[in-house]
Amino acid sequence: EAGVAQSPRYKIIEKRQSVAFWCNPISGHATLYWYQQILGQGPKLLIQFQNNGVVDDSQLPKDRFSAERLKGVDSTLKIQPAKLEDSAVYLCASSFSSRYNEQFFGPGTRLTVL
Amino acid sequence: GNSVTQMEGPVTLSEEAFLTINCTYTATGYPSLFWYVQYPGEGLQLLLKATKADDKGSNKGFEATYRKETTSFHLEKGSVQVSDSAVYFCALTLQGAQKLVFGQGTRLTINP
Repeated sequence: EAGVAQSPRYKIIEKRQSVAFWCNPISGHATLYWYQQILGQGPKLLIQFQNNGVVDDSQLPKDRFSAERLKGVDSTLKIQPAKLEDSAVYLCASSFSSRYNEQFFGPGTRLTVL
Repeated sequence: GNSVTQMEGPVTLSEEAFLTINCTYTATGYPSLFWYVQYPGEGLQLLLKATKADDKGSNKGFEATYRKETTSFHLEKGSVQVSDSAVYFCALTLQGAQKLVFGQGTRLTINP
C-alpha cells in the first residue's frame, strides 16, 4: 500500500515570497491533516479536512496560510507571504475516517525562509 | 488546556541498556495516548497506543501503560538496539476529536 506522498521535500525561499506544498493521502482515507513542526518541538495541527470540508483550522494563521482539498483527495497548503518564523517541517497525515484514530504521516516538506 | 510533557533529551544509551522515556499529560476528559517514532529521514510512524486507563500498548519490544492516577504514559524497552535510534514523540487525542497533541520529542541515540 502506498503511503502519504508529499512534495517538494525541501524548499528554500526568501521572506515575503509565497510557497505551496502538495499532499496526496493514502487511497480511501477521508481525513487529511496538515501539521507544522518547528525545530525542537512536536508537530502542531494547522488544519484538518474531512473529505473536502474543514473540521478544524483553529491554529491556522489565516492571514497568511491557506489550504484546500477541492476534490476530497489531494491537498495544497500555501503560505503567502512567508515570514522567517514559518521555517519548519510541514507534515501531511491521513486517516481512514474521522472515528479511526491512527494517522499515517508523509515524509514532510522542510521549508527554510531566509 | 490539553498538553503533553516529555522528558528532556537527548538520551544516549549503550546497546542492550534499559530504556525509559517519561511522558505525562494534561487533558480534559479521557484521552487516547500514543507514542510515535521518527527515524532519520523518515516520516512519523505510530509505535503503540492505549485508549483507556490501565491499557498497555506494545510493539517491537516497546511498552507503555496508560496510568490515569499519575496521568502518565512512560515508554520502556528492556534491551535497546542501535536501530532504535530515533526521535520519540508522546501524543494524545481527546474523545470525539482526531487532533493529535504532541510532546516536544525525545531524541534517542544508541551506541554499539
